[in-house]
Amino acid sequence: DAKTTQPPSMDCAEGRAANLPCNHSTISGNEYVYWYRQIHSQGPQYIIHGLKNNETNEMASLIITEDRKSSTLILPHATLRDTAVYYCIVRVLYSGYALNFGKGTSLLVTP
Amino acid sequence: EPEVTQTPSHQVTQMGQEVILRCVPISNHLYFYWYRQILGQKVEFLVSFYNNEISEKSEIFDDQFSVERPDGSNFTLKIRSTKLEDSAMYFCASSALAGPGNEQFFGPGTRLTVL
Repeated sequence: DAKTTQPPSMDCAEGRAANLPCNHSTISGNEYVYWYRQIHSQGPQYIIHGLKNNETNEMASLIITEDRKSSTLILPHATLRDTAVYYCIVRVLYSGYALNFGKGTSLLVTP
Repeated sequence: EPEVTQTPSHQVTQMGQEVILRCVPISNHLYFYWYRQILGQKVEFLVSFYNNEISEKSEIFDDQFSVERPDGSNFTLKIRSTKLEDSAMYFCASSALAGPGNEQFFGPGTRLTVL
């Protein structure tokens, strides 16, 4: 699986958009980009995934660059409950079933 | 909304003792997983399980560990002889399928403390 690079920490004001970047410059054509988050030692929670098109769901939007070497997770209106560690994970199609979590980005949403 | 449940929430044991961590995956899911997270460290994959056998396991999952689906609802992780370094949060997860788009749903975890 391709390696990902994320900033260790970010801050965001409540009500503003949180934009979390992820670099995955070695991504290959059949690898998907997944985002999970972990709120204070709870079990990780799936947010969104994509292959090459931008994706949106009720939680977030995922913007993948055209060359697929980076992506951005957008939380459009961050709340205090969005304070968590956010993980960007790249998975090879059908390579197995493990999610390989890195260190992620610790997002702090402030009042 | 269906969810993965885990029991107990906290387990304290003496070094060398056997422990069994229990999980009830989401009912129509077919793939089951165990992960662990040592305090302050990243979440680490241990094992995946499908059709009553291990699909994939990490280097961490050595002979001290075993998994079982003893009935139609439970999924267990057994550690035969616990060590101090086994102290961690253990997360169970399940998914409907294994491929992309079939996200893994995680339980709240069991905190294992080995004394």
